[in-house]
Amino acid sequence: DIQMTQSPSTLSASVGDRVTITCRASQSISSWLAWYQQKPGKAPKLLIYKASSLESGVPSRFSGSGSGTEFTLTISSLQPDDFATYYCQQYNSYTFGPGTKVDIK
Amino acid sequence: QVQLVESGGGLVKPGGSLRLSCAASGFTFSDYYMSWIRQAPGKGLEWVSYISSSGSTIYYADSVKGRFTISRDNAKNSLYLQMNSLRAEDTAVYYCARIALGVDYWGQGTLVTVSS
Repeated sequence: DIQMTQSPSTLSASVGDRVTITCRASQSISSWLAWYQQKPGKAPKLLIYKASSLESGVPSRFSGSGSGTEFTLTISSLQPDDFATYYCQQYNSYTFGPGTKVDIK
Repeated sequence: QVQLVESGGGLVKPGGSLRLSCAASGFTFSDYYMSWIRQAPGKGLEWVSYISSSGSTIYYADSVKGRFTISRDNAKNSLYLQMNSLRAEDTAVYYCARIALGVDYWGQGTLVTVSS
């Protein structure tokens, strides 16, 4: 099975900061990667699919890049609504990464 | 609008069984792969199972293989998860979810607690 890792596991940032989260796959997954945002007590929300395509309705400050085994999610200017946990997921065998919690510095 | 509504969660003893249901509306259910994804309290997301649009292709995580069975009824716009031989480590919120390019719609989740 393909294993997914994320770094960092926790990230402390301030409103307006540029934030980057990295996701790595144990083998190449081409561009078959999605990113999700989850807030406490809520279902996850799809942000990015196919590594770099922005889901409809998601603010343009979110972007994704990468292919093969290394991927990044970037928030260009962190907003108060963005404090949450972020997960990557490969949709070869659908494994999720362990998550990155973005909290207030 | 797309809606996924889970039901059937609750408290069950170790070794017991439970059947989860998911009622789908607002889209052509028979066109989409569907899945169950779970999240243990305070933990990350774990893919449990998916089923193709026709039901002919099914995947299970190793952690539930042989114990859980996914199924669907396209005439009733419904997805199911039969869970047998439940263990304490199966305690989680179980989400019904639609698969497109990524998981684009999720239900609100139903809590399954396995405890004596």
